[in-house]
Amino acid sequence: GESVGLHLPTLSVQEGDNSIINCAYSNSASDYFIWYKQESGKGPQFIIDIRSNMDKRQGQRVTVLLNKTVKHLSLQIAATQPGDSAVYFCAENYVGSNYKLTFGKGTLLTVNP
Amino acid sequence: DGGITQSPKYLFRKEGQNVTLSCEQNLNHDAMYWYRQDPGQGLRLIYYSQIVNDFQKGDIAEGYSVSREKKESFPLTVTSAQKNPTAFYLCASSIVRDSYEQYFGPGTRLTVT
Repeated sequence: GESVGLHLPTLSVQEGDNSIINCAYSNSASDYFIWYKQESGKGPQFIIDIRSNMDKRQGQRVTVLLNKTVKHLSLQIAATQPGDSAVYFCAENYVGSNYKLTFGKGTLLTVNP
Repeated sequence: DGGITQSPKYLFRKEGQNVTLSCEQNLNHDAMYWYRQDPGQGLRLIYYSQIVNDFQKGDIAEGYSVSREKKESFPLTVTSAQKNPTAFYLCASSIVRDSYEQYFGPGTRLTVT
């Protein structure tokens, strides 16, 4: 079936470096994408979202890039901090899914001081 | 404060017992969702509801039941028919109109022995 997946299950970076977390999706009908951050033992928190009519969207220290040609989504975190250590999930909504989100498996980001 | 509450945070049950997990939201959101998360895994949809007194099965509904008698509440019952009930359970809600973003509660960790 259609799914959202991640290229890298783990990512380790040095404090202050930029982080890039990737996500591949297979459903060409997907029209909305969202990134969540989940700290250990807690519920996911919204980071940023993007609709399919956009290629790029920026937030505070985060940027999401969408490449519809290759069905690829990435989350860039600038000047990564220890507090950014968490699991990051991408999720998609596709037309006809009745407002449901399909989640990827997640990437564990570890920031080394 | 507006948000989603789940109680209790930790729950322990003996095999063969039914158990009900609570989820309450005061965000006036129309839709509510239940997800299951296993270690190192993404979120899998159990049930969702977009309106009071109506709900639909998600991808892994077997062994679970829900009710939506009030807009604010969406309790999940894990029945004895669920083969592997030990997991982290997350409740979420969303506005639905013009938005796909889901807001998550803090989760309930259920352990069945």
